[in-house]
Amino acid sequence: QKEVEQNSGPLSVPEGAIASLNCTYSDRVSQSFFWYRQYSGKSPELIMSIYSNGDKEDGRFTAQLNKASQYVSLLIRDSQPSDSATYLCAVNTPLVFGKGTRLSVIA
Amino acid sequence: EPEVTQTPSHQVTQMGQEVILRCVPISNHLYFYWYRQILGQKVEFLVSFYNNEISEKSEIFDDQFSVERPDGSNFTLKIRSTKLEDSAMYFCASEDAQSSTDTQYFGPGTRLTVL
Repeated sequence: QKEVEQNSGPLSVPEGAIASLNCTYSDRVSQSFFWYRQYSGKSPELIMSIYSNGDKEDGRFTAQLNKASQYVSLLIRDSQPSDSATYLCAVNTPLVFGKGTRLSVIA
Repeated sequence: EPEVTQTPSHQVTQMGQEVILRCVPISNHLYFYWYRQILGQKVEFLVSFYNNEISEKSEIFDDQFSVERPDGSNFTLKIRSTKLEDSAMYFCASEDAQSSTDTQYFGPGTRLTVL
């Protein structure tokens, strides 16, 4: 059974701080890794994809992948109240989702 | 920017009735997916569709479910005899087969309520 695990949170950070979201996955041969953001009652919105070990940066977001540890993370710099949402880690195609981490950015 | 669209946004039905959920994928995409999310739970894969046939399906996608691409633009999910536990958000997603990345773009979802 392919599993993706995330801490459900809530993770609370002050505005302007760095939010760090983590995810582990069970399928050792996974090749594709995604972070989606989901606002309450809305659909998942793609933030980042990452395919190789290391860091990938896009604006305020940095995704980190460590295949040996089967670990993916997302860093959000200069967190804003509008970043408050549930962040979903997803692996492979078709996507296997974690349950998501709820992030709350406090103004 | 092109986007996936879904109709209706909310469907209420009686247990045992048939429902059809509709999706219009992004026009040049060739891979299509259905996912569902029961309230408070994770997003779960139902089925993938490519080249006019199912390419993969999950254990959830049993005989009460079917998918179809009736024309060049629509992609539908039919639930033949709805059960209370089918109440969920249903998301359609599409993927560009030409792209080097297997990125899926989600529609806004249909909220299905089975009474």
